[in-house]
This record gives sequence, C-alpha cells and structure tokens, in this order.
Amino acid sequence: QSVLSQPPSVSGTPGQRVTFSCSGSNSNTGTNHVYWYQQLPGTAPKLLIYKNGQRASGVPDRFSGSKSGTSASLAISGLRPEDEADYYCASWDDVLLGHVFGTGTRVSVL
Amino acid sequence: QVHLEQSGAEVKRPGSSVKVSCKASGDSFRHEAFSWVRQATGQGLEWMGGIVPTFGTANYAKTFRVRLTISADESTSTAYMELSSLTSEDSAVYYCARGLGQLLVRAALETWGQGTMVTVS
Repeated sequence: QSVLSQPPSVSGTPGQRVTFSCSGSNSNTGTNHVYWYQQLPGTAPKLLIYKNGQRASGVPDRFSGSKSGTSASLAISGLRPEDEADYYCASWDDVLLGHVFGTGTRVSVL
Repeated sequence: QVHLEQSGAEVKRPGSSVKVSCKASGDSFRHEAFSWVRQATGQGLEWMGGIVPTFGTANYAKTFRVRLTISADESTSTAYMELSSLTSEDSAVYYCARGLGQLLVRAALETWGQGTMVTVS
C-alpha cells in the first residue's frame, strides 16, 4: 500500500553520517514537494523536513533533505542514539489526489 | 503552537462504525487543513483523507471513499473521522494531523495528535 520506496533499514555509529533514499514517480515526488517524518518508538510522527529540504521548526541542522528528479534523500550527520527511529518520506500524488508515504526506514545507532 | 487532542481508545465489533475526534487549540481552525492517517501495528503510515473546515468538503483516499466520513465543527474546533463497516484489518492507531500553513490538504503534516487506538474484535 506504500507508494514510495525506501530501504528497510540503515545503521551507523555515533557521530557518523547516514543517508537514505526515497523513490517515487512523476505523479508524486517528481512533481511535488517531499516531506520527511521521524517516528520514535511508541510516539506520533514528527515533521522533520518540508519542501524537499526545509527543516521544520526546532529540527537540528544535523538533518538535511534533498531531491533530484523522482528521488529524494535524507541525511543525518553526527548520528546520536536518540536518532534511533523510523523515518518516512511522503509527498502529494496528483493521480491518487492524496498524501502518499514511503515504506519507512529504520535507523539504528550501533 | 497548535495542539491536537484526540479522543480515547475504542474497541468495536466487526461491521460497526467508529468516530474519532480531534480537538485543535488556536484561533485559525477554519482555515487550517486536517488530515487523518492510520498505522496498523508494525506497519507504515496510510493517509485516509483530509478537510479544510472553511471549504466544508473533504478529500478521501480511494481506499476509504465508500466508508469514511471526515467532518469538522468550527464551533468547537474539532475535526472528526468516522469509519464504517469495520473489519479486523481496520485495527490501527488513527492520527489526526494539521497541515503546515493554511488552506491546503496537500501541505506537510506539521502537528500530530497523540493517536487513537481502534481495536476491531
């Protein structure tokens, strides 16, 4: 049911930089903004990135987003234990006329 | 900072309906966009639909169009999601979320409620 594709998991050590991708199509990520959400265990999602690369209020600059064509990526630099969470990309889809989400990427801090 | 407070957990029988509320703080309720997103246990996020109260009509994901009603009461700054013909596959946490800025259901989902667990059994 998820329209956007993400790697299931990535891992890194504290202080390391990790990046992961989000792949969509022309009707969603290729045309519209990409958003990124962080979901800590047992909590509601939190907006991290909007308009492809704009950080939401209060989000540290360790988090950065970018988009090229139909793909987007999220980078976390200076990885911290508290960054362990599920991360979802999302976009608006002009054919489905709704928000579509990625499959989610679980970030583990070793 | 707008806060969204959702109603409590529900246990429903198959075939019945559930109605979840989402009360918003702040002064701009009628011009803000509210979406409903659900998440089954261990699964990803699924957008169900959204509404801008001042426009009145809701947008629905195709999957839910037949049995979902999203509404908003401006007098109480509360958005509602009612899902009918429930099955066990509808067991999930249901979130309301407010869009960034105003008037656009397609905007990023900036503020989220705490979630409402709905169990169909």
